[in-house]
Amino acid sequence: KAGVTQTPRYLIKTRGQQVTLSCSPISGHRSVSWYQQTPGQGLQFLFEYFSETQRNKGNFPGRFSGRQFSNSRSEMNVSTLELGDSALYLCASSSVGRNTGELFFGEGSRLTVL
Amino acid sequence: GNSVTQMEGPVTLSEEAFLTINCTYTATGYPSLFWYVQYPGEGLQLLLKATKADDKGSNKGFEATYRKETTSFHLEKGSVQVSDSAVYFCALSDLGGAQKLVFGQGTRLTINP
Repeated sequence: KAGVTQTPRYLIKTRGQQVTLSCSPISGHRSVSWYQQTPGQGLQFLFEYFSETQRNKGNFPGRFSGRQFSNSRSEMNVSTLELGDSALYLCASSSVGRNTGELFFGEGSRLTVL
Repeated sequence: GNSVTQMEGPVTLSEEAFLTINCTYTATGYPSLFWYVQYPGEGLQLLLKATKADDKGSNKGFEATYRKETTSFHLEKGSVQVSDSAVYFCALSDLGGAQKLVFGQGTRLTINP
C-alpha cells in the first residue's frame, strides 16, 4: 500500500512569492491534515480536511490556506511568503473513527524562503 | 490550552542501556496520548498510543503508561539498539478536533554501539 506522498520535496522561494504544496493520502483515507515543523516552534497543526471540508484550523494567519479535492488529495497554499515561513511542511492522512490520532505522515516538503 | 512538555535532548546512550524519555501534558478532559518517532530522512510514524488512564501502549520493545494522576506518559525501553536512534515526539489529541495533535518539542536520541 503506497504511503503519503508529498510534492515537491524541496523548494526555494523569495519573500513575497506564494507557494503551493501537494499531498496524496493513503488510498482510502479521507482525512488529511497539515503540520508545520520548525526548529524553534516544533510541530504545529495548520488545518485538517475531511470530505473536501475544512474541519479544523490551527492558529496561523490567513496567508495559509488549503483545500481538498474529491479524490482526497490536498493542497496547501502560502501567499506573500515571509522568512519565518521557512519550514518542513508535513502532510498526514488518516481513516476516521476509532483510530483517532493515528496519523500517517509523508516525508514532508522543505520550504526555504530567501 | 493543551500542551505537551518532554525532556530536552539530545540524549546519548550506549547500546543495551535503559531508556526513559519523560513526557508530561496539560489538557482539559481525557485526551489520547501518543509517541511518534522520526527516523533520519523519514516521516513521522506512530510508535505507540494509549487512549485512557492506566492504559499501557507498547511496540517494538517500547512502553508508555497513561498516568492521569501525574499527567505523564513517559517512554521506556529496557535495552536500546543503534537502530533506535531517532527523534521521539510525545503528543496528545486535542479534543477540539479528531485528528488535531499537539506535539512536544521532540527528543533526539542517539545510541552508540
